[in-house]
Amino acid sequence: DAGVTQSPTHLIKTRGQHVTLRCSPISGHKSVSWYQQVLGQGPQFIFQYYEKEERGRGNFPDRFSARQFPNYSSELNVNALLLGDSALYLCASSRTVVNSLYEQYFGPGTRLTVT
Amino acid sequence: DQQVKQNSPSLSVQEGRISILNCDYTNSMFDYFLWYKKYPAEGPTFLISISSIKDKNEDGRFTVFLNKSAKHLSLHIVPSQPGDSAVYFCAASPDGNQFYFGTGTSLTVIP
Repeated sequence: DAGVTQSPTHLIKTRGQHVTLRCSPISGHKSVSWYQQVLGQGPQFIFQYYEKEERGRGNFPDRFSARQFPNYSSELNVNALLLGDSALYLCASSRTVVNSLYEQYFGPGTRLTVT
Repeated sequence: DQQVKQNSPSLSVQEGRISILNCDYTNSMFDYFLWYKKYPAEGPTFLISISSIKDKNEDGRFTVFLNKSAKHLSLHIVPSQPGDSAVYFCAASPDGNQFYFGTGTSLTVIP
């Protein structure tokens, strides 16, 4: 079975631009979570989606948004990029949102560089 | 505000010896705890978990200990192997879904 896939692998953008990151969960998984990992830090929770609805949101500005599609894939959108948005963006999928403790599987991430 | 802290950014251990990785948290509402292992260019991989109803969970060479009163957990790896060299993150959650991660400890196991 394929794991969690993310695209693109790397991305370079300029301040003020917009970016869309994509994630495909493991087959059968209905929940997708997004995390931001800045160099030297642990992953920070951004969003969780389940069955196309937002189920959780971390402490990120409104420039960050996401959505989940009927096939459970997800997009993370960031508007008006800042230098501080440069980070590794991780997507994790799980089968449900109830006790996903044991089932959160991460993709390899998208490395975003804002210049 | 960092709710989960790993105060040792790095740790070196001889092969065959015990590795002990520590993690502290500040939020008393956290009830679920995970350890993840991360290799370069890969996403974190789930390693072991514990919930607040237990104080110990064991899986092969890996044991996690939880001290709720001290808001402290630790991961013991015995015996350590060179393949265990990676960055280890602890993560905590109040509900088992939204997790707060520590900053990671880079473990090097020396052959």
